[in-house]
Amino acid sequence: DAMVIQNPRYQVTQFGKPVTLSCSQTLNHNVMYWYQQKSSQAPKLLFHYYDKDFNNEADTPDNFQSRRPNTSFCFLDIRSPGLGDAAMYLCATSRLIPGQGGGLYGYTFGSGTRLTVV
Amino acid sequence: GIQVEQSPPDLILQEGANSTLRCNFSDSVNNLQWFHQNPWGQLINLFYIPSGTKQNGRLSATTVATERYSLLYISSSQTTDSGVYFCAVPGNTGGFKTIFGAGTRLFVKA
Repeated sequence: DAMVIQNPRYQVTQFGKPVTLSCSQTLNHNVMYWYQQKSSQAPKLLFHYYDKDFNNEADTPDNFQSRRPNTSFCFLDIRSPGLGDAAMYLCATSRLIPGQGGGLYGYTFGSGTRLTVV
Repeated sequence: GIQVEQSPPDLILQEGANSTLRCNFSDSVNNLQWFHQNPWGQLINLFYIPSGTKQNGRLSATTVATERYSLLYISSSQTTDSGVYFCAVPGNTGGFKTIFGAGTRLFVKA
């Protein structure tokens, strides 16, 4: 089945130690997103790629970076994780259909990576 | 920017009961999505519903775009319906930013 896969499911990292989370998709969607979700809150968009075009949300800390080496893969790099970065990180994909307004079509989330910072 | 409000914030149902969840949005939108986040954190796409009514089993959704609201109906609720229901709309016309409501947390008792 076509899907969005995130690895690892759980990640424990040390305070200040760089960590990379990965996301892959078999849906051939042209948009990929990274969200941060803290307990009892809605997902918060960090950044997205439309094809190779990268878009950073204004309030995303510089500590967070992303790479999309090809259509199928996207990575989230946290350069120096702090205790406040402990959260669920969700990758999502969607397909932009020109003229349909927005990229919500076919929105699909991965299972998420729960990050713990110790 | 556009505001999305969901109600009620919390809901407890007895198994078998019906419920209606509401999503209000402050500006015109040309699409809207409902998601269910299960207790393990997985977000599942329920409906892509810019307007009109759709049904999928015990769930149905209606969006009245001119009046800026959408409703999600759950009939004959089951314990597996528990979790958080989010509605989401585009943050700007033709853009990719997605604005999520705060969610409705549903617990269905056996």
